[in-house]
Amino acid sequence: KAGVTQTPRYLIKTRGQQVTLSCSPISGHRSVSWYQQTPGQGLQFLFEYFSETQRNKGNFPGRFSGRQFSNSRSEMNVSTLELGDSALYLCASSLAGPQNEQFFGPGTRLTVL
Amino acid sequence: GEDVEQSLFLSVREGDSSVINCTYTDSSSTYLYWYKQEPGAGLQLLTYIFSNMDMKQDQRLTVLLNKKDKHLSLRIADTQTGDSAIYFCAERASGNTPLVFGKGTRLSVIA
Repeated sequence: KAGVTQTPRYLIKTRGQQVTLSCSPISGHRSVSWYQQTPGQGLQFLFEYFSETQRNKGNFPGRFSGRQFSNSRSEMNVSTLELGDSALYLCASSLAGPQNEQFFGPGTRLTVL
Repeated sequence: GEDVEQSLFLSVREGDSSVINCTYTDSSSTYLYWYKQEPGAGLQLLTYIFSNMDMKQDQRLTVLLNKKDKHLSLRIADTQTGDSAIYFCAERASGNTPLVFGKGTRLSVIA
């Protein structure tokens, strides 16, 4: 079966702009989690959605938001981009949540200039 | 809050064993994981262990858990060049709590 897909794979934005990243989970998976990966901070949890509801949230400012649609696809949005938002954004899907195996997508590489 | 620590780099010769270490602080950690990340790819779950286990073996991989010292290790036997990657240790408590990752150990295998 198809894996987790993330679009776009690469993105270049300038400070102050906003960006929307998309994640399509594995068919049948209802939980989608988002992570930010940077060389300095490693992998940090952003949020998790299950059945269109945000179930867990990490320690990120309100500029980071997300949503999940009825088909389980998820988007995350970052507004008023800062240089420090440059990172690899990873999405992971699982059947029902972190208690099930999480399957990761290849990530979206965001560069903020 | 929870913290997971790993050494950043490890270099081994092809055919040798690799041991990647991890320590965690959360005593309520119930599940502990090892993930592998190859260049340009997402994370791939290698193996996991429940906190009520001491050891788990899966082909070339052996996971050891010392719950008293909150220390987890991953041993890769007969390390191959294809094992070169970043290895992440992660933990989580029970229920729907999210994973907490270490910063990853970059394993370089020298032919």
